[in-house]
This record gives sequence, C-alpha cells and structure tokens, in this order.
Amino acid sequence: QVQLQESGPGLVKPSETLSLTCAVSGASITTTDWWSWVRQSPVKGLEWIGEIYRSGSTNYNPSLASRLSMSVDKSKNQFSLNLTSVTAADTAVYFCARRPWSYYFDQWGQGTLVTVSS
Amino acid sequence: EIVLTQSPATLSLSPGERATLSCRASQSFGSSLAWYQQKPGQAPRLLIYDASNRATGIPARFSGSGSGTDFTLTISILEPEDSAVYFCQQRSNWPPYTFGQGTKLEIK
Repeated sequence: QVQLQESGPGLVKPSETLSLTCAVSGASITTTDWWSWVRQSPVKGLEWIGEIYRSGSTNYNPSLASRLSMSVDKSKNQFSLNLTSVTAADTAVYFCARRPWSYYFDQWGQGTLVTVSS
Repeated sequence: EIVLTQSPATLSLSPGERATLSCRASQSFGSSLAWYQQKPGQAPRLLIYDASNRATGIPARFSGSGSGTDFTLTISILEPEDSAVYFCQQRSNWPPYTFGQGTKLEIK
C-alpha cells in the first residue's frame, strides 16, 4: 500500500522559505505518476500548489509559480517543495498526494501544519 | 481558472435518508470531475472520478452524475460514518486543478 509522509518545519518566519519533503513508501517515485502538493486553509479551502513527474517536469499553480520550486530525489524516493517569500497567507495544512496519469489525487499524506509567523 | 461552487454549504440529515450534494462549474468542461470525502484531522479520500465512477473500495451507496457545468454526488442511504466534508475537484482545465469550497454533511 502506498504511503506518503510530509516532513518539515511547522513554523516559518515571514519572508523566509517554506521547505517540505514528502517521503513515499510502498511505491516507486519513478512510476508514471505525478507527485503533488495541495494545501488547505480556512480562508482559501483546498488549493492545488503544483506537481512534479519522475523526469523533473513540473506543473505549477500560476498564482504561486513565481515563488515555487519542486524537486524529486529518486535515490530517497521522495519529493520536495520550496515556497519563497512566505507571508501569513501561506499558513495552511500542506498535503502531498499522488496523481496517476490522467487521474485524480488517489493517495494522500496525513498533512502537516505550517504556520507563518515571526 | 474554473471556479467550482458547491451547495448547500451545510446539510443536516438523518441516518437512512438520501443526501444530494451539488457542484457547479463556472464554465463547461465535460466530465473530468472528482468527489472527495474529508473527515476531521484526515486527508481527503477519493470517492468518485470522472463524474460517475466509484473509486476502489467505495461503497455503492455513493454515486455521482453530471457533465458540463452541473454535477451531483448522491449518498443513497446515509450512515453515521458519512458525516464529513465533501469536495469536488476538476482536472479538465489546468493549471490549476481547482476544488470546490466543500459541503459539510452532518448526520443527526
């Protein structure tokens, strides 16, 4: 069974960079799946952040693209998210998720709360 | 960007009743729509894909319908464990994939 687990700091200061990693177990990150990040806040609800493929190809939410980068580490079977210049509006629960090709988000991590505050 | 509007915001029903949840899109896009269930403290769970297909392991009491701009999730015989927030999500016009704001279903 596929499992995803987010990790990273729970508190980030304004203007700094939010960095999260998603460890994948039970499946190889080199399959024909896209690996996504989705966040959830009371203000914005569920918001798709972006996704990365095994090749390193990415699709980003245009509203976040200028601050966003993603990477994949095949040796560790994990993928990562970097979001720069964060503000309080980036406070949310961040989920990583799997999206098989031409499909939907079928496996999710448990989510990790990231608070942006000084 | 396609905006998905869900209604009602909250629905309160009794066990055994039928729940009908709506998701309306700001522009027509065929049937590339999914429904998710989310319980407190948990991640969303995929229920329905491509508007009307049940995901693996989803009970038959969950069904989906619709295309274009109007979509419906129906739970035919409510059980207490169906209490959750339900979201729709489209993957037709992206980026970005977008979600509805959710319908909270309360079981009395």
